[in-house]
Amino acid sequence: AQSVAQPEDQVNVAEGNPLTVKCTYSVSGNPYLFWYVQYPNRGLQFLLKYITGDNLVKGSYGFEAEFNKSQTSFHLKKPSALVSDSALYFCAVFSGGSYIPTFGRGTSLIVHP
Amino acid sequence: SQTIHQWPATLVQPVGSPLSLECTVEGTSNPNLYWYRQAAGRGLQLLFYSVGIGQISSEVPQNLSASRPQDRQFILSSKKLLLSDSGFYLCAWMGRRVNNEQFFGPGTRLTVL
Repeated sequence: AQSVAQPEDQVNVAEGNPLTVKCTYSVSGNPYLFWYVQYPNRGLQFLLKYITGDNLVKGSYGFEAEFNKSQTSFHLKKPSALVSDSALYFCAVFSGGSYIPTFGRGTSLIVHP
Repeated sequence: SQTIHQWPATLVQPVGSPLSLECTVEGTSNPNLYWYRQAAGRGLQLLFYSVGIGQISSEVPQNLSASRPQDRQFILSSKKLLLSDSGFYLCAWMGRRVNNEQFFGPGTRLTVL
């Protein structure tokens, strides 16, 4: 079985400040981890993924995420938030051999000017 | 490059009427295909997935059905809509490697009155 937790329904941050959106996971075997972003009334867009290798993964729009195996976490980060980053963010996980991802409930990021 | 289309973009239907939503993918072959429903702008519920023509797996028992008549075409149907079928329906595809990210369509907003 696999599961994903996004403990915060909403994250508020001021423009220019660093942001973190949290994600923890549970899988059997090696995890394949993903972050997606969704703007209002749009489909999800892929941001970045961790499969293997370097624990720090860089993705689109200046986002990055750090894989922490001991804490089973994959938090999304950005050094300096933009108002345009305001959106809904989803973490997702596969376990090995599965074609079915498990998504978190989503975290609404609000960046204040 | 690959693209994914969904139509219609919005739909308002009376309770008890039939439904047909279509999803097509271009620029790839033999993709895994998925139908999700998103209620109230939050979590994704996997409804159906398909690994090949005519192969449909249902994740949630309900009055919806899916079909895959061609390799890159995925259809979501209902014979009689319920009020609870209202939501944002997303189609997605994924390549054959298990660690690939999903690519989502623009979505269909369905309102059942």
